[in-house]
Amino acid sequence: SQELEQSPQSLIVQEGKNLTINCTSSKTLYGLYWYKQKYGEGLIFLMMLQKGGEEKSHEKITAKLDEKKQQSSLHITASQPSHAGIYLCGADPLSGSARQLTFGSGTQLTVLP
Amino acid sequence: DAGVTQSPTHLIKTRGQQVTLRCSPKSGHDTVSWYQQALGQGPQFIFQYYEEEERQRGNFPDRFSGHQFPNYSSELNVNALLLGDSALYLCASDWGSGALRGQETQYFGPGTRLLVL
Repeated sequence: SQELEQSPQSLIVQEGKNLTINCTSSKTLYGLYWYKQKYGEGLIFLMMLQKGGEEKSHEKITAKLDEKKQQSSLHITASQPSHAGIYLCGADPLSGSARQLTFGSGTQLTVLP
Repeated sequence: DAGVTQSPTHLIKTRGQQVTLRCSPKSGHDTVSWYQQALGQGPQFIFQYYEEEERQRGNFPDRFSGHQFPNYSSELNVNALLLGDSALYLCASDWGSGALRGQETQYFGPGTRLLVL
């Protein structure tokens, strides 16, 4: 079965600093999804990557998928308190017709004002 | 455009009881997936419903069952509750068609927090 490992598990940064969260898969990824979750709430979709070498940006958040499609990074530029939360990467293993996501255990981000 | 909705928001049950959670998919979506998220962990896939049938199932016992209605809404039922069933239960919706896979993502609801005492 596919496993996703996220690092770091938690991150505390000063407002305005840049940061990077990593997601590594044990198998080649068909699709890689990044979600943000406020504590105890639902997941908010950020970005989806499918092609090796793909990079997408939204506001101050950039996500990349490496050429081998086994590693992804999420980079936040000039962090703000609104960026605080749990960041989850999810993978679509392309097993069967259903989109069945496997998630990492998450990275807890705290942004100090 | 209504997103994914779930009810109730919170629930407290005792061991051995049964519980039913409800989900309405995002407007236009026909597929519903259920995930269990234990504290400090990522969500784990329970099962997915498409065309009123269970299409795929994760590694969960038969105590977990579901149903999808003609309007695409879904229920998750858990029988004989255990303390370990305490978790946030998330519902996600998307398109069921394989042709659209990769062009859409799963949209998640706010979840139902279940506490088993």
